[in-house]
Amino acid sequence: DTGVSQDPRHKITKRGQNVTFRCDPISEHNRLYWYRQTLGQGPEFLTYFQNEAQLEKSRLLSDRFSAERPKGSFSTLEIQRTEQGDSAMYLCASSFWDQMVEQFFGPGTRLTVL
Amino acid sequence: LAKTTQPISMDSYEGQEVNITCSHNNIATNDYITWYQQFPSQGPRFIIQGYKTKVTNEVASLFIPADRKSSTLSLPRVSLSDTAVYYCLVGDIDNNNDMRFGAGTRLTVKP
Repeated sequence: DTGVSQDPRHKITKRGQNVTFRCDPISEHNRLYWYRQTLGQGPEFLTYFQNEAQLEKSRLLSDRFSAERPKGSFSTLEIQRTEQGDSAMYLCASSFWDQMVEQFFGPGTRLTVL
Repeated sequence: LAKTTQPISMDSYEGQEVNITCSHNNIATNDYITWYQQFPSQGPRFIIQGYKTKVTNEVASLFIPADRKSSTLSLPRVSLSDTAVYYCLVGDIDNNNDMRFGAGTRLTVKP
């Protein structure tokens, strides 16, 4: 399977804990995006990378959110001191740098904060 | 970024053609129109993209009038498996570094 993969698919955590999600993009893609999606809403853009460079992070929801893509391949999204309002689906997508409108999404990680 | 407006939901029956219209009155000259499809518990999937007139691929057609203030996604002969949420996005693909999804249109195809 050469699609975008995300791990874990589900995460249940207690308020105040830190969580980290992983995304493996399509290997040929140099752009990688993170989104959050809450029930009944469309995905909300958080941040994106071109290779290892994080080119946009002003849309991250708070300073508790951070993302890395250290070698320009997989990426991680970390949420520190989780809150109940962080409960959502976190989606990763990838694309070629010049075809950003055609993004390939992974299945998402569903986070539940108790 | 142009704001888009779509119907919240639509119902159809198998075998019918479905047209979902998106309004984007403030579309800019450099903006393209893109549609995505999302099934439950899956990430969105790119369907089609266009700038003006008509675009057709193996999945759908996209009709864009001359003023570009709206667009219509046309799904021919829908089946039950086309039940999904459809998102219309508008943005400058050269300068826009994000994509803004609205709430989308929830299409339900009935037998």
